Amino acid sequence: SQTIHQWPATLVQPVGSPLSLECTVEGTSNPNLYWYRQAAGRGLQLLFYSVGIGQISSEVPQNLSASRPQDRQFILSSKKLLLSDSGFYLCAWSTGGSVTGELFFGEGSRLTVL
Amino acid sequence: GDSVTQMEGPVTLSEEAFLTINCTYTATGYPSLFWYVQYPGEGLQLLLKATKADDKGSNKGFEATYRKETTSFHLEKGSVQVSDSAVYFCALRSLNDKIIFGKGTRLHILP
Repeated sequence: SQTIHQWPATLVQPVGSPLSLECTVEGTSNPNLYWYRQAAGRGLQLLFYSVGIGQISSEVPQNLSASRPQDRQFILSSKKLLLSDSGFYLCAWSTGGSVTGELFFGEGSRLTVL
Repeated sequence: GDSVTQMEGPVTLSEEAFLTINCTYTATGYPSLFWYVQYPGEGLQLLLKATKADDKGSNKGFEATYRKETTSFHLEKGSVQVSDSAVYFCALRSLNDKIIFGKGTRLHILP
């Protein structure tokens, strides 16, 4: 069966520090991978998605970047965090090449920038 | 660009009341449409989906019909229960595999 792992679950970082959130999927190959940020009153905001290794689509111009170094690994990064980067980040995967496929979510990472 | 608009909450109903949560979308082509639900303290999970015009998705007594002419996918349930209290998200998946969500609607059901 397929599983998705996301870490760390929580982190507190000072303004200006770097960030790295990691996500891996097991039990499937060539998945589509997604990063969302969930904030109260704003729903799930799509940040990045990837349909293959090295292919990243950015949806929101911001202080963050994403990379997909391996087929089932998706990393969210920042060189210098801002206060506004605080939030709950969700990684998700879906079957590639299927417009009907549903999303499966990781457990999320809560980031607090102080 | 693609977008999803759903009614803002919170929505508060009494048990056994009829529920409608409105959702409309803007997209190029014919996306697939989804409703996801997030119960308190839990992650998001798929509630139902529809992949082409006039399709009806259904699950747990909830229904939604893909209306191309009105670009809508309204969620309905005939008789809600306290256990339906949750946040409901409408979403679309476009042909380039982008998946976007509405802002979510919090539903409170009173016993």
